[in-house]
Parts: sequence; C-alpha cells; structure tokens
Amino acid sequence: DGGITQSPKYLFRKEGQNVTLSCEQNLNHDAMYWYRQDPGQGLRLIYYSQIVNDFQKGDIAEGYSVSREKKESFPLTVTSAQKNPTAFYLCASSIAPGYYPNEQFFGPGTRLTVL
Amino acid sequence: KNEVEQSPQNLTAQEGEFITINCSYSVGISALHWLQQHPGGGIVSLFMLSSGKKKHGRLIATINIQEKHSSLHITASHPRDSAVYICAVRVNYGGSQGNLIFGKGTKLSVKP
Repeated sequence: DGGITQSPKYLFRKEGQNVTLSCEQNLNHDAMYWYRQDPGQGLRLIYYSQIVNDFQKGDIAEGYSVSREKKESFPLTVTSAQKNPTAFYLCASSIAPGYYPNEQFFGPGTRLTVL
Repeated sequence: KNEVEQSPQNLTAQEGEFITINCSYSVGISALHWLQQHPGGGIVSLFMLSSGKKKHGRLIATINIQEKHSSLHITASHPRDSAVYICAVRVNYGGSQGNLIFGKGTKLSVKP
C-alpha cells in the first residue's frame, strides 16, 4: 500500500540531545513537508523540500535541520538549539509543487517529549 | 489576527444531529482543504475545494470565494465522527501557489 510512514510514534529524549525523526513515503511524490503541532495551535511549517537535494525553511525553522538525499526520505533533526521541542510532528508529501490541485498526504505523526 | 479562523473551537453534539463547522480566511487562495485528525494524531484529507460544493457520504463542504468562507457539514452525525476538523488554505501569490496555512481546528465530540 502507498503511504507515508513516520517512526517512532512516541519518542522521549533528554534535554540537550539531538534527535532525528524519520519520514518515508512510497507515493513517488516530489514534495515533502514537516509540520509541528502544539495544543490549541494550527499546524506550522518547519521545512519543506520540493525536490531531492533541495529544501527551504518554513515559518519556524530555527533549531531544526533536514536533509533530502533520496526522493522517498525526508528526516528531521531536532537540535539542542530548539528551545521548546516537545510537540507533535507531522510529515506530509505531495506531487510536484505548482501542480494544481496539490493535495497533501499526511503521515501518522511522531510525538516527541523532551525530559 | 490569524489568516484562517475556525468556529466553533469545540462542539459537542448528540448522535444524529446535523453539524456545521465554519472557516473564514483573509487572504486570496487557490484552494481550501478540510482535514480530519483522529485522537491518535493521524490526519486524513476530506475535501479540497476551489469553488462551489462537494459531497462525500455524510460530509458536505461548501465554499464562497467572494465572502472568503467555507463550511463543513456532517449529516446524521455518529460517535465515530468525533475528531478534530482542520481548515487549511493554499495562498495564491499572484498565480503561484504558496504553502498551506492552517486553522486551529474544531474539536467535535458526538455523544451516543
């Protein structure tokens, strides 16, 4: 079945440690996205990638880093510079940006708790 | 001021009731999405609209471009409809598509 997988579903880390969240898709989508969701707030865009080996900062990129070495994979690293990393992280993908309509498909999310 | 506003924030209904969730936005858009987020956190796309009305089963979505407003209706609501419903818009920057901007969501609880 085609879809987006994120692992793990729950992740606990100590303060000051970097942590990498996995996102894989087998939908052959060009574009991939990382969002952060906090209670009472809408999803906010962290980073997005429109093509392999290219990515752009979203609205809240500080303290995060990404890579896009393969079309299927878009891992997100939450660094120790992120002041408030505890949140629910969602990965999404879509066909080539600029194509209309451009529906995004979401993964199941990873809940990160920093102790 | 948020560019995408949803109302109500929370909604409790009895099984069988007709439900309406509203979304207003303040920017020019190329499309509006309605998404459903279940308690586990996963998000499913329900509708993508640029005009008019769409129907899927008991769900109906409408959009009024002139008034910058969309509604999501659920007919004959059921406890399994309990979820957070999120409105998101794709901003139209003079013909090129921007990223999605999300509302804060409406938490729906349908009681048996």
